[in-house]
Amino acid sequence: DIVMTQSPDSLAVSLGETATINCKSSQSLLYSSNNKYYLAWYQQKPGQPPKLLIYWASTRESGVPDRFSGSGSGTDFTLTISSLQAEDVAIYYCQQYYSSPPCSFGQGTKLEIK
Amino acid sequence: QITLKESGPTLVKPTQTLTLTCTFSGFSLSNDGVGVGWIRQPPGKALEWLALVYWNGDKRYTPSLRNRLILSKDTSKDQVVLTMTNMDPVDTATYYCAHRRPGFNSGSYYFDYWGQGTLVTVSS
Repeated sequence: DIVMTQSPDSLAVSLGETATINCKSSQSLLYSSNNKYYLAWYQQKPGQPPKLLIYWASTRESGVPDRFSGSGSGTDFTLTISSLQAEDVAIYYCQQYYSSPPCSFGQGTKLEIK
Repeated sequence: QITLKESGPTLVKPTQTLTLTCTFSGFSLSNDGVGVGWIRQPPGKALEWLALVYWNGDKRYTPSLRNRLILSKDTSKDQVVLTMTNMDPVDTATYYCAHRRPGFNSGSYYFDYWGQGTLVTVSS
């Protein structure tokens, strides 16, 4: 099974600044036949279900603000939130869908305002 | 507009069987590439994928719980049912059903629409 490890577990960032969340997979998520990275990012606010933000490691879901961006390659991926807003307070999860079952999630990163 | 909603008991006793129903709208589970998955989240903990059923009836289960899980679908009712046997207090969690985005290799899945979830507590 592929293990997903996020870092840090929590971070506090000032409004208007940039938050960076990392996700590392135990093996490459690159599918050679289509040259895509099988990684998604979700945002979960308290009392709500997860919301899809990013898929294919860097493709923003429709309606997601462009201050959210995904990057990375191989086994290392990053979710960047620029110009942090108060409504961005949430827990963020990465998920690999390269090898399933099972698809696997990271342990989550809690983002707060400093 | 795609929506999903989970329903079932909020409290089950240890060793009992849990049956949860996901009722959805806005898509058909008979369309190519579509799938409905179940994911759970213990209080204050991370997400854990459990199972998924495809449009063609194929099912996938997480290996660690394979012998306790059964998925079924009723396309005419737009429902998917998850059964989990031999419930234990560690199975206390919010259970979500979610829509698999179609359009790529069927062995992989990420989820673009989620239900609100239902909290199931296992306690005597």
